[in-house]
Amino acid sequence: GAGVSQSPRYKVAKRGQDVALRCDPISGHVSLFWYQQALGQGPEFLTYFQNEAQLDKSGLPSDRFFAERPEGSVSTLKIQRTQQEDSAVYLCASSLVPSYNEQFFGPGTRLTVL
Amino acid sequence: KQEVTQIPAALSVPEGENLVLNCSFTDSAIYNLQWFRQDPGKGLTSLLLIQSSQREQTSGRLNASLDKSSGRSTLYIAASQPGDSATYLCAVRLGSGGGADGLTFGKGTHLIIQP
Repeated sequence: GAGVSQSPRYKVAKRGQDVALRCDPISGHVSLFWYQQALGQGPEFLTYFQNEAQLDKSGLPSDRFFAERPEGSVSTLKIQRTQQEDSAVYLCASSLVPSYNEQFFGPGTRLTVL
Repeated sequence: KQEVTQIPAALSVPEGENLVLNCSFTDSAIYNLQWFRQDPGKGLTSLLLIQSSQREQTSGRLNASLDKSSGRSTLYIAASQPGDSATYLCAVRLGSGGGADGLTFGKGTHLIIQP
């Protein structure tokens, strides 16, 4: 596709449920990023992949958060045992090569935990 | 830890005015700085990217400057239009491809252009 796509666009989960959020980066983009954006705040970095390698996961808030990119293209962010504080918009971004960092963002997945 | 601050938090001006949005960051050892706009319920649209060696970038009515040593950037919008209404976000990057490459964002400036 022409841009970064994410699915689902909206997700409602009951507290304690597991969720999986998908990101399809721009074709050929090596770098992939996940961010979390709380209401009224700027996005906060979660994790970064270069191809299938997860080079930085310093922003993941707890061990309930897990991300993977097994074939170096599509990525999945998984949240186990969701809590209300996990409610946010989860944004995915990609860039063509690691050293050139114009990041292109997807529309995000709005997660609401009840 | 890198912190990014944007001033003002909100701004409302009549159509046609020129305006300046400010961004400051605490760690001057950045790799680059990027300005985005975000429309309600949407993702981020990249506006301008300034490499650490550059002083400014221009795109149409937008001009962004970077003073790395003082930890400041400004986004200048000329002849504002109602369609410019959005939240504008500033973000900096420390790494150059091998790690620490995630962006650190400010909280944004919510801009309203009155018709």
